[in-house]
Amino acid sequence: DAKTTQPPSMDCAEGRAANLPCNHSTISGNEYVYWYRQIHSQGPQYIIHGLKNNETNEMASLIITEDRKSSTLILPHATLRDTAVYYCIVRVRNFGNEKLTFGTGTRLTIIP
Amino acid sequence: ETGVTQTPRHLVMGMTNKKSLKCEQHLGHNAMYWYKQSAKKPLELMFVYSLEERVENNSVPSRFSPECPNSSHLFLHLHTLQPEDSALYLCASSQDNSLGEQFFGPGTRLTVL
Repeated sequence: DAKTTQPPSMDCAEGRAANLPCNHSTISGNEYVYWYRQIHSQGPQYIIHGLKNNETNEMASLIITEDRKSSTLILPHATLRDTAVYYCIVRVRNFGNEKLTFGTGTRLTIIP
Repeated sequence: ETGVTQTPRHLVMGMTNKKSLKCEQHLGHNAMYWYKQSAKKPLELMFVYSLEERVENNSVPSRFSPECPNSSHLFLHLHTLQPEDSALYLCASSQDNSLGEQFFGPGTRLTVL
């Protein structure tokens, strides 16, 4: 699986959009970009994933650059409950088992 | 509530004890996973089960022994652990073993004395 690079920490004001970047310059054509988050003392929570096109769901939007070497997770109206560690994971389709490799992520703090 | 439960939530054990961690998923998934999260380290995948068969074993020491009796239950049997095995142990499940997202339980906080 390709490696990802994320800033170790970010702050965002409550009510504003939180934009979390991720670099994955060695991504290959069959690798998907996944985002998970982990709120303190809880298990990770799936947020969104995409291959080429931008994706949106009730939690967030995922913007993937045209060359697929980087992506941005957008939380449109951050709340205090969005304070968590956010993980960007690039994963190859591997029929037979699904292997998520977590990095150190970005610690997002929402400021009141 | 993610549909994945883990018991116990906290466990303290001595190095000579034998204990088991339990995970149960109520989502009808057919793949289950054990992860370990040590302090200030990324999550590490330990084991993967697909359709009750182990398909991944990430060089985990034999003092950790997984068991998957059916697609809803996953156990992690522990014996003669070391203090450095103290960590948060997380269970997850997914619908299939291709693209489905994983649903994680709350974890078991294990302390080895």
